[in-house]
Amino acid sequence: DTEVTQTPKHLVMGMTNKKSLKCEQHMGHRAMYWYKQKAKKPPELMFVYSYEKLSINESVPSRFSPECPNSSLLNLHLHALQPEDSALYLCASSQDDSGSSYNEQFFGPGTRLTVL
Amino acid sequence: AQTVTQSQPEMSVQEAETVTLSCTYDTSESDYYLFWYKQPPSRQMILVIRQEAYKQQNATENRFSVNFQKAAKSFSLKISDSQLGDAAMYFCAYRNVYSGGGADGLTFGKGTHLIIQP
Repeated sequence: DTEVTQTPKHLVMGMTNKKSLKCEQHMGHRAMYWYKQKAKKPPELMFVYSYEKLSINESVPSRFSPECPNSSLLNLHLHALQPEDSALYLCASSQDDSGSSYNEQFFGPGTRLTVL
Repeated sequence: AQTVTQSQPEMSVQEAETVTLSCTYDTSESDYYLFWYKQPPSRQMILVIRQEAYKQQNATENRFSVNFQKAAKSFSLKISDSQLGDAAMYFCAYRNVYSGGGADGLTFGKGTHLIIQP
């Protein structure tokens, strides 16, 4: 299985809602990532988890709350978002252990989020 | 901090022709990884080709090859025999070598929109 899955594909939420994005991989990868991508822009790194621990937070507002319950699963909890948070949210994973090389990131198809 | 620059916002090529996409980067590291990713309108980001800076040989994957010039910090992508399915946004990306201190994210260029003319 060389796939990263993300649910839901689309999400529309109000500014007072609480919702969660889910990402799953079964490749045994030790690192997982959240990126935010606005239209016609490159992805921007939000969070990195290494061995289920948060290792990088790119100064993301606290209304975005990541969680890594186990090595295969990554969640992004959303609360009190703003319309400017509307974007494509991409999850990725990579091997990233002492024996690996290249460590290319495998991306999921993304969740298209619209905040009203 | 590393930066990646793609100076061609859009490129157009005739089907079956060859096209080269440019990428330059800036880093103070001596070993690192470089990637080209493709993102079709369906939005799934797909790895096209990868290169480790430590290796001098240019990477090749079927119709895709790179021209890696480490001293010039240049990493261009050549697509031979262009096909309609190659139409997409192409992103050049950089990441540091895994150091044991934790994974590192990718730094992307702004992307080049590739159009294939039938």
